[in-house]
Amino acid sequence: DIQMTQSPPVLSASVGDRVTLSCKASQNINKNLDWYQQKHGEAPKLLIYYTNNLQTGIPSRFSGSGSGTDYTLTISSLQPEDVATYYCYQYNSGYTFGAGTKLELK
Amino acid sequence: QVQLKESGPGLVQPSETLSLTCTVSGFSLTSYSVSWVRQPSGKGPEWMGRMWYDGDTAYNSALKSRLSISRDTSKNQVFLKMNSLQTDDTGTYYCTRDDNNYFDYWGQGVMVTVSS
Repeated sequence: DIQMTQSPPVLSASVGDRVTLSCKASQNINKNLDWYQQKHGEAPKLLIYYTNNLQTGIPSRFSGSGSGTDYTLTISSLQPEDVATYYCYQYNSGYTFGAGTKLELK
Repeated sequence: QVQLKESGPGLVQPSETLSLTCTVSGFSLTSYSVSWVRQPSGKGPEWMGRMWYDGDTAYNSALKSRLSISRDTSKNQVFLKMNSLQTDDTGTYYCTRDDNNYFDYWGQGVMVTVSS
């Protein structure tokens, strides 16, 4: 099974910061990766699909990139409402979520 | 608008069978797939299985021996049954609209506790 490793587990940042979250796959996943945002007590929400496609209604400050085994979610200017846990999800071989990165305000 | 809603018991005895229903609206089960995803408290989600739009199914290999997913298109419902429940099956269970491997709409989730 493909393992997804997200780093860092917890990230503290200030409003307006550029934030980068990482997700590393145990093998090449051919860009078959989505990103989800989960706020406390809510269901996950799709942000990015197929590595770099912004889901409808998601602010343009969110972007995704990557290839092979290494993928990144970037928030260009952190807003208070972005406090959440972020999960990557691969569907290249089997279907696996990462353990998440918890994003906090400094 | 697209909506999904899970229903089922909140408490299940160990070794018993979990039965959940996902009732959808705003889309057709013959046009979109539906996946079940669960999440232990404080942990990452886990994909459990999928009811494809054509009626086929796919299961997480780790759960396949215990899991069954079915549907009733006339009632816009997708069903999950999982047997031999243990305490580590405790968590929140979600159904999601599955649009070619991305989950664009989610239900609110149902909390399931496995305990005697």
